[in-house]
Amino acid sequence: GQQLNQSPQSMFIQEGEDVSMNCTSSSIFNTWLWYKQEPGEGPVLLIALYKAGELTSNGRLTAQFGITRKDSFLNISASIPSDVGIYFCIEGGSKKLVFGKGMKLTVNP
Amino acid sequence: DAGVIQSPRHEVTEMGQEVTLRCKPISGHDYLFWYRQTMMRGLELLIYFNNNVPIDDSGMPEDRFSAKMPNASFSTLKIQPSEPRDSAVYFCASTLSFEGAGDGYTFGSGTRLTVV
Repeated sequence: GQQLNQSPQSMFIQEGEDVSMNCTSSSIFNTWLWYKQEPGEGPVLLIALYKAGELTSNGRLTAQFGITRKDSFLNISASIPSDVGIYFCIEGGSKKLVFGKGMKLTVNP
Repeated sequence: DAGVIQSPRHEVTEMGQEVTLRCKPISGHDYLFWYRQTMMRGLELLIYFNNNVPIDDSGMPEDRFSAKMPNASFSTLKIQPSEPRDSAVYFCASTLSFEGAGDGYTFGSGTRLTVV
């Protein structure tokens, strides 16, 4: 079956630092979705990517859909304490979204 | 809109007791999902409904778990009898069918279940 690898599984950074997280899939994705889950809340959609090579920015966040359609990355620049949470990359090709463990980000002030 | 509403926010129960979690989706949304989140397994899809009909329940762990959606504005997830390993945060989410796949998921704030 399809395997999705999100790395790293956790990160500890200082406020102001940039952070990059990556996802790779064993199969081709048609849509990549990046969600963020803040402590005590449900996940919220950050960025959706629909085309290979697509680069999308949302404030301090930048995400790209890999050319091979098997990978994606999310960068956060100049991190702030409210960036803490769990970040998920998932395939958005159907109504059934499979989330997994995500990547836990801790930002030290 | 008030968003997806889950109740209760916290539930502590004794092993063997029946537990019922409730969800009110966003009005007009025709897909409803139940997820469970633990440290070990992450966020797992348990079951989802379309137009109140269960479509995929392959994630339901065992017969102790059951979910219903009697109408478009209400769903329940029941565990009977509950066990300590059921302790987790349970999330409900809803979306509209005509939106892009996965784009419009709205999650509730979850129910933190502790079974002692």
